[in-house]
Amino acid sequence: AQSVAQPEDQVNVAEGNPLTVKCTYSVSGNPYLFWYVQYPNRGLQFLLKYITGDNLVKGSYGFEAEFNKSQTSFHLKKPSALVSDSALYFCAVRGPFSGGYNKLIFGAGTRLAVHP
Amino acid sequence: KAGVTQTPRYLIKTRGQQVTLSCSPISGHRSVSWYQQTPGQGLQFLFEYFSETQRNKGNFPGRFSGRQFSNSRSEMNVSTLELGDSALYLCASTLGRGGYEQYFGPGTRLTVT
Repeated sequence: AQSVAQPEDQVNVAEGNPLTVKCTYSVSGNPYLFWYVQYPNRGLQFLLKYITGDNLVKGSYGFEAEFNKSQTSFHLKKPSALVSDSALYFCAVRGPFSGGYNKLIFGAGTRLAVHP
Repeated sequence: KAGVTQTPRYLIKTRGQQVTLSCSPISGHRSVSWYQQTPGQGLQFLFEYFSETQRNKGNFPGRFSGRQFSNSRSEMNVSTLELGDSALYLCASTLGRGGYEQYFGPGTRLTVT
């Protein structure tokens, strides 16, 4: 069965420092991986995706993610954090992988707190 | 292009009642998925509709149902509400064939008392 793990409930980082939010996955076949961000009382906003190709994926608001097949990881990164990046971040994998269906399996989420 | 819209944004119901939530996808998107978000269970997939057909369903009781109309708008219904149904219900739309990322609406916050 497909699953996603976000090992950290919360990540604290100082403004201007690089940030990493971790995600590991377990799927059969090639994974379709996504990162979403959720601000209070809002829906989820799409940040970036990995479908195939280059292992380093660039997304919105300066975020990027590195796909590592051998470690089954898809960590979210940003070179310089902003206070406005403080939010709840979700990693997700799409499954099942036949028929083109759109069921996302989410991790539990990681709260990112960026301190001035 | 307008985003995904959901109505109502907030809803308070009593146990035993039923509720209908509505979702209008991004124009041109043919797939609509529904998710439930709770503090305890996180984000869980409810079902997906494509061209008025349910083609995937999550592990929820039969009290949860949905449908999609010819204009791709979707509704979900929960009958015989329980306290545990209190949650944020999120709708997401995808282009369909060839589209991968899902775009989410702001959600409907359902409170069951």
